[in-house]
Parts: sequence; structure tokens; C-alpha cells
Amino acid sequence: GAGVSQSPSNKVTEKGKDVELRCDPISGHTALYWYRQRLGQGLEFLIYFQGNSAPDKSGLPSDRFSAERTGESVSTLTIQRTQQEDSAVYLCASSLGAGPPNSPLHFGNGTRLTVT
Amino acid sequence: TQLLEQSPQFLSIQEGENLTVYCNSSSVFSSLQWYRQEPGEGPVLLVTVVTGGEVKKLKRLTFQFGDARKDSSLHITAAQPGDTGLYLCAGAVRTNAGKSTFGDGTTLTVKP
Repeated sequence: GAGVSQSPSNKVTEKGKDVELRCDPISGHTALYWYRQRLGQGLEFLIYFQGNSAPDKSGLPSDRFSAERTGESVSTLTIQRTQQEDSAVYLCASSLGAGPPNSPLHFGNGTRLTVT
Repeated sequence: TQLLEQSPQFLSIQEGENLTVYCNSSSVFSSLQWYRQEPGEGPVLLVTVVTGGEVKKLKRLTFQFGDARKDSSLHITAAQPGDTGLYLCAGAVRTNAGKSTFGDGTTLTVKP
């Protein structure tokens, strides 16, 4: 596709359930990022994949959060035993190389997660 | 921990007015990006600045990177309703380019 694609666009789940969020990056982009954005706030880094290197997981808030990436394509972010504080927009981005300044981030439109 | 503080948090102005948004940090960044985000969409990159003191212009928008590469400003001249949105600054360091630090954003509303 022409841009970063995320699915679903909206997800409502009950507290305690697991959810999977999907990201399809721009074809050929070696780097993929997940960010979280709470209402009216900036973006909070979660995890970064770059080629075959070990992912930078330093932003994951708890062990309930995990992410995988298949080669240089699709990524899934999994949240286990969801809590109400997990409610946010989860944004995925990809870049051709290792990030700014030479490789700008291209964002998808996000998945809005609501935990009831 | 690197932090970026943006001000003001909210700005509501009339069409035709000028405005400036600030992005400040105590940390030095290798580069700084400005994004604009509209409701229901992801941020879209406006500009990247990399050199201390650098000024970049994008039509009615002027971006400046501080001499010490710790702060930046975005100035909009003669704002239009189409400029309405959330403006985000983000800083990156060369040794960890994949982990940009974002400010909390400035929500701009331009009334016709």
C-alpha cells in the first residue's frame, strides 16, 4: 500500500481481555515503531524494530505488553489482561532507514483502544 | 530521561493573526522534527532541523532550531483555519535514532 496501515481502527474490549493490534508498514521500510498517545497528549515510545537487530523494548510499560515483527513486514502489538489505563490510541510508524534525521517516520492512523 | 516541553498547550486565535509555538528541553538533540496531527489521523512530518541556529521556512511556517540544539520554535504568519490541528515537536539523538522523544503538543484552533 501507499502508506502505513493499521487495523482495527477502533477496538473496544472488556477489562482483563487480550487484544492484538496490527501494523502493515510501507513496503521496503526496514524500521518499524509503536507509540502510544493518550487523549490530548504527545506520543509515548513503546518499541522499535530495525532490520534483523534485536528490538528496543525499553518503552513497553509492563510485561503485559509485547510486540513481534515478521521480517521487515507486518507487526503485531499484543496487550494481555487489558486495564482501563491501557485506553489510548496506538500509533505505528515505519521508516526507510534507522530514523531521523535521514529517515523520517511515516505514521499510520492508529488504533483507538477503549477498555471498559 | 529526555523531556520536551511545549508551550502553549492550547492556542485559539482569529484568522490572519500570527503565532509562535515553543519546544524546550534541557537535553541536546541531534535533530528535531515538527509534526502536525489532525483528529483521527497520525502525525505528518512538517520539517526536520539538524543544525544549531538553523531556520527553515515552509510557506507561512517558519521553524528555528536553537543554537545549542535544545529548543525550537514554530512561527505561523497570517494563520488560516486550515492550520488548525495538534502541533508536535520531537527530538532524536544520533546514537538512538529510533527512539524519538515527543512533546505533549500544542492544540491550535484558528477561527474564521
